[in-house]
Amino acid sequence: GENVEQHPSTLSVQEGDSAVIKCTYSDSASNYFPWYKQELGKGPQLIIDIRSNVGEKKDQRIAVTLNKTAKHFSLHITETQPEDSAVYFCAASRTGGSYIPTFGRGTSLIVHP
Amino acid sequence: ETGVTQTPRHLVMGMTNKKSLKCEQHLGHNAMYWYKQSAKKPLELMFVYNFKEQTENNSVPSRFSPECPNSSHLFLHLHTLQPEDSALYLCASSQGLPNTGELFFGEGSRLTVL
Repeated sequence: GENVEQHPSTLSVQEGDSAVIKCTYSDSASNYFPWYKQELGKGPQLIIDIRSNVGEKKDQRIAVTLNKTAKHFSLHITETQPEDSAVYFCAASRTGGSYIPTFGRGTSLIVHP
Repeated sequence: ETGVTQTPRHLVMGMTNKKSLKCEQHLGHNAMYWYKQSAKKPLELMFVYNFKEQTENNSVPSRFSPECPNSSHLFLHLHTLQPEDSALYLCASSQGLPNTGELFFGEGSRLTVL
């Protein structure tokens, strides 16, 4: 089955800095890579996703990159703000088959004002 | 508001109690999921239902019993739980399998087993 590794487990940055979270996956057939943000007391919510036919996707201050050859993908947050503080989960799955997303262990991002 | 509602939000129960967690989705989805989230552990998939049929049981102990009467409702019946079962239980929904796509999560039910 799929195995997703996520690093770091904790990331502390100053407001305005950039934050990068990295994930690797094992199943070369995986083709859908979502990122979820979980704020305190809430369930995870999708913030951005990327499919294997593109190498990068951007949405305002958030971007995701994908390297299919190396089987790794990353989340980049620029100009971090205190409200970005949350736990971020990466996931990998194969669409078009009955594959449920496999999640990474999560990264606790703390943005200091 | 994600369209997935879980009740109760908090539950404290003894090891001999029987209780149930409820999940309801208003998104017209056909797949529903139960996840367990413990401190310092990854999200653990427990059960998946697709069009009311159970398609995944991730080696979950029988003290957890799911029920899916229709595509909009999902229950998790709990009995004779152990303290290590204390966790946040998350319900999610998505389009029907095989096109999983985005998962929409509820806010979770925080369970404490004494």
